[in-house]
Amino acid sequence: QQPVQSPQAVILREGEDAVINCSSSKALYSVHWYRQKHGEAPVFLMILLKGGEQKGHEKISASFNEKKQQSSLYLTASQLSYSGTYFCGKNTGNQFYFGTGTSLTVIP
Amino acid sequence: DVKVTQSSRYLVKRTGEKVFLECVQDMDHENMFWYRQDPGLGLRLIYFSYDVKMKEKGDIPEGYSVSREKKERFSLILESASTNQTSMYLCASSLFNPGLSYNEQFFGPGTRLTVL
Repeated sequence: QQPVQSPQAVILREGEDAVINCSSSKALYSVHWYRQKHGEAPVFLMILLKGGEQKGHEKISASFNEKKQQSSLYLTASQLSYSGTYFCGKNTGNQFYFGTGTSLTVIP
Repeated sequence: DVKVTQSSRYLVKRTGEKVFLECVQDMDHENMFWYRQDPGLGLRLIYFSYDVKMKEKGDIPEGYSVSREKKERFSLILESASTNQTSMYLCASSLFNPGLSYNEQFFGPGTRLTVL
C-alpha cells in the first residue's frame, strides 16, 4: 500500500533542479509532501488535492495527476537548506500511507 | 507555537519487557498517529486515533497496542518487546477536516527505542 518514490537518493549542486516522483497503485484523494532534515522530525510542505491542483512552497512546487495516480515534487534552483529526506503521503480516503522516502543532498 | 512532545528521546529495554511510549499534543487535534521509521522503509503507520477511546489499525499493528483516554494524549504500548521492534517511533497529530480526510500532520521529535 505504500506509495513508491523515485529516485531513492539524489545528489545535487547548489542551483540545480530536481524532481521527485511518487506513484500509487490505488486511487488517491490527496497527496501530502513532507521533508525531514537529519535528526529532526518530518515537516509538512504541502497538500495536493484532486483536480490537478498545483501548490507551491518557496521554490518547491508539486503536481498531482490523479488519473496516473502520481505526484511529482519539483525543486528549483536548489539551496543547501533543501537537503533532507522527502516523503510523499497518500490519502486513499480511509487510510494514509507514507512513501519510502527520497534522500536529497545539496552540495556547494 | 504548536507542539507535539514524546516522553523520551532515547529508550533501551530488554526483550520481553512491557514498553510505554507517550505522546502529548497541545493543539486540540482530533487525530493522532503512531509511526515507526526504519531505513529504506520510510514511515509506516502502526495505529491512529480519530477521537478519545477510538483507534484504528494501521499497516503494521502486530505486537503493538494503543490507548487514548484523553484528547491530548496517545500512548503506544509494546506488550512484550522484541528485538525486531528496535526502531525510531514518531507520533503525529492533525486537525480533523471532514472534506479532507487527512490534514497536515505535526510530528513529535521521535523516540529511538533499542530492544536488547
